[in-house]
Amino acid sequence: NAGVTQTPKFRVLKTGQSMTLLCAQDMNHEYMYWYRQDPGMGLRLIHYSVGEGTTAKGEVPDGYNVSRLKKQNFLLGLESAAPSQTSVYFCASRPSAKNIQYFGAGTRLSVL
Amino acid sequence: DQQVKQNSPSLSVQEGRISILNCDYTNSMFDYFLWYKKYPAEGPTFLISISSIKDKNEDGRFTVFLNKSAKHLSLHIVPSQPGDSAVYFCAASLIQGAQKLVFGQGTRLTINP
Repeated sequence: NAGVTQTPKFRVLKTGQSMTLLCAQDMNHEYMYWYRQDPGMGLRLIHYSVGEGTTAKGEVPDGYNVSRLKKQNFLLGLESAAPSQTSVYFCASRPSAKNIQYFGAGTRLSVL
Repeated sequence: DQQVKQNSPSLSVQEGRISILNCDYTNSMFDYFLWYKKYPAEGPTFLISISSIKDKNEDGRFTVFLNKSAKHLSLHIVPSQPGDSAVYFCAASLIQGAQKLVFGQGTRLTINP
């Protein structure tokens, strides 16, 4: 049972490049979330999804887009990366009947 | 405006003693609180939670206390073990709905032998 898997683990981008971060969960969870963590700060919610085909904005959504075409996958896209998006990105999922989020191991992204 | 604050960036405790981690929040609408533990290069893992209808929740060596009037919660670890060395995050949300967690900045706990 893999839980929540994030791909890739590390990535270096140049300013203006685009990329997609993939989150996959094998627990059949309804809810999925994308957070970012910056030094000295807690995790901040970027976007979330309450079910397949749905997405909603979190606390810091600007510069990011998301899609949830399949229940098990939640994609985070950066259309034109900026140095301010250098961060560690965490994906999480949770079942609708339980108020606990399960996190992936994170993706460390550097934008030069 | 930081709605959830952990004012101690770090804490050092001797093995076998009690560790107390603190967390304050400003939004009185929050009614569900969680503690997560994070090791380097790993994602946060759930530790313990409490809803606002309770003032205490216990799970083995871990106890969370909630003081709603002070908007304060604390995590007690007794006895502290070397494996408890990690960064601890408190988080708050509404118990209904999408559970959009708001995290504190984290406290790095070091357990000394």
